[in-house]
Amino acid sequence: DVKVTQSSRYLVKRTGEKVFLECVQDMDHENMFWYRQDPGLGLRLIYFSYDVKMKEKGDIPEGYSVSREKKERFSLILESASTNQTSMYLCAAREVGQPQHFGDGTRLSIL
Amino acid sequence: AQTVTQSQPEMSVQEAETVTLSCTYDTSESDYYLFWYKQPPSRQMILVIRQEAYKQQNATENRFSVNFQKAAKSFSLKISDSQLGDAAMYFCAYSGHNNNDMRFGAGTRLTVKP
Repeated sequence: DVKVTQSSRYLVKRTGEKVFLECVQDMDHENMFWYRQDPGLGLRLIYFSYDVKMKEKGDIPEGYSVSREKKERFSLILESASTNQTSMYLCAAREVGQPQHFGDGTRLSIL
Repeated sequence: AQTVTQSQPEMSVQEAETVTLSCTYDTSESDYYLFWYKQPPSRQMILVIRQEAYKQQNATENRFSVNFQKAAKSFSLKISDSQLGDAAMYFCAYSGHNNNDMRFGAGTRLTVKP
C-alpha cells in the first residue's frame, strides 16, 4: 500500500516567515501534488510534479513554490507566509489513471 | 480546465437508509476517470470508488455504487444501508486519461442520524 507522509500534522508560523511543508512517498510514483483545502472550496491544486525537477502550476500557485530534488520528496514552500495562507494542506501521489494516495494533511496557521 | 461541481454542500440520512450524492463535471475529453473520496474527521482521504469513462457498467464497491451518465456528465454516488461510520465529507474528482492532475469538487458533508 502506498504511504504518503507529511512532516507535520499541525504547524503555526508567523507572517513573513518562510515555511516549508515536506511530503515523502514510498511507492516510486511519478506524480506528486500539493492541494489546499478550505471549507466550501474543496481541494484546490497548488502545484504538481510529474518528474524530478519538473513542476506545473495548478489553479492557485500564487505565493507558493515547490521543489522536487528526489523522486520520493515533494516540498511546498511559502516564500513569505501571509494570514490568507492559513489552511489545510494535502500532499498526494499517483500514477496516471490511478487513484491518488493522500497524506494525513498539515493544518497550517499563520499568525 | 475541467471543473467538478457538487451542488449539495450538506446531506443527511437516517441510519440504514439510502442516500445519493450528486456530482457533475465539465470536460471535452472522451476518456477519463472519475473518483469518489471520503474524508472522515480524521482527515485521511480514502478512495471510495473509481469509474473509467470508457466502461459503461457502473462501478460498485459493497454498499457504494455510482450512477455514471456520460452524456449528461453526471457521476452520482449511492450509499445503501447507511452506517454511522459513513459520516464524512465526500469529494468527487475527475482526471483525464493522459493527464497527471486531478480536479476535485467542493465536497458534500454527509451526516448519518441514528
